[in-house]
Amino acid sequence: QLQLQESGPGLVKPSETLSLTCSVSGGSITSRSHYWGWIRQPPGKGLEWIGSMYYSGSTYDNPSLKSRVTISLDTSKNQFSLRLSSVTAADTAVYHCVTDFWSGNPYFDYWGQGILVTVSS
Amino acid sequence: DIQLTQSPSSLSASVGDRVSITCRASQYISTYLSWYQQKPGKAPNLLIYGASSLRSGVPSRFSGDRSGTDFTLTISGLQPEDFATYYCQQSFANPRTFGQGTKVEIK
Repeated sequence: QLQLQESGPGLVKPSETLSLTCSVSGGSITSRSHYWGWIRQPPGKGLEWIGSMYYSGSTYDNPSLKSRVTISLDTSKNQFSLRLSSVTAADTAVYHCVTDFWSGNPYFDYWGQGILVTVSS
Repeated sequence: DIQLTQSPSSLSASVGDRVSITCRASQYISTYLSWYQQKPGKAPNLLIYGASSLRSGVPSRFSGDRSGTDFTLTISGLQPEDFATYYCQQSFANPRTFGQGTKVEIK
């Protein structure tokens, strides 16, 4: 069974870049059945999909984030990462890394526990 | 973007009750609809995918159905561990979107 664990700073200053890493165990990020993605949840609010990436390098992300998102994979470490640039207070949220099962009918089947990132000076 | 509207936003129910939550899509999404359960302080957990396919290991009291652009999650015989917030989510088109959530509380 896949297990995911997020890591990274819990506090980021406005206008800076948020950087998070997700460590994967119980499976390989070169899996042909999964994309690797990020979803966030502002405190007390709903869920927002950020983006997903395939081991081949194919990526797709949420246009609402206006090209501020970079997702990358490190196959040597079995990890993937999120970078979100030019953050504001509106980017304060719990960030979850997820597996995006790419079947004929995709779904998010495994989730990390989440990491709270606060944007504040 | 495809909007998903859940109803109700919250409900109160008793152990043993049959509970239904509706998710209405703003346009055709075929069966590209999943349901997730989230408990406080925890990550969401996949319950149903493809509108009606039960994830392995999820109790059979959970079921999903589709009628056009209306989707329903039903819990038949609510258990104490089912009190949580439930979200629908579509994977028909980018960006993937979620409903606003339905909180199921103890009456």
